[in-house]
Amino acid sequence: EDKVVQSPLSLVVHEGDTVTLNCSYEVTNFRSLLWYKQEKKAPTFLFMLTSSGIEKKSGRLSSILDKKELFSILNITATQTGDSAVYLCAVGGAGGTSYGKLTFGQGTILTVHP
Amino acid sequence: DADVTQTPRNRITKTGKRIMLECSQTKGHDRMYWYRQDPGLGLRLIYYSFDVKDINKGEISDGYSVSRQAQAKFSLSLESAIPNQTALYFCATSDFPGSSYNEQFFGPGTRLTVL
Repeated sequence: EDKVVQSPLSLVVHEGDTVTLNCSYEVTNFRSLLWYKQEKKAPTFLFMLTSSGIEKKSGRLSSILDKKELFSILNITATQTGDSAVYLCAVGGAGGTSYGKLTFGQGTILTVHP
Repeated sequence: DADVTQTPRNRITKTGKRIMLECSQTKGHDRMYWYRQDPGLGLRLIYYSFDVKDINKGEISDGYSVSRQAQAKFSLSLESAIPNQTALYFCATSDFPGSSYNEQFFGPGTRLTVL
């Protein structure tokens, strides 16, 4: 059974701090790892990491994938109050019972205080 | 206009009632999914469909059923709602084969409360 574990489950920081969110996984025939940000309602896509793209960066956010150790991290530098959200990690498989599906972690609740 | 829409957005019902949640999409995607979200548990897959003739159970399908009426429409039913089905429900879509490597696009969610 596919499994995704995120840590920490919650995090409180002040504006300007740097945070690192963790995601470890076990999945049949790994295909991709995705990060989503969920503010009020629907998750919105941040990054996708695959065998051919193990590092992504967009502004203050960056993510890396370690396929050997089966984990990913999401870094946010110079945090702002607008970064407050639930960050979801999900893993997609390429075959077997994982085919075409995403398995989500529990999410990390990030709160950024002014 | 939103690419993935869900109706209703909020619903309060009583134990034993039949409830249908609807999802429509204009993205032209073949694949559609239903998830529920509970605090501290992330998103859990209820049912998914790869095309109109294909329906598959997810990890928590008991107590739920689905109907794929068309490529653009995927409905989730609770035949006899119970309080522990109180949750936030999301519909999602993805493209196939595409180059999106499993990326899914989510609707705005339906908050369901069963009293």
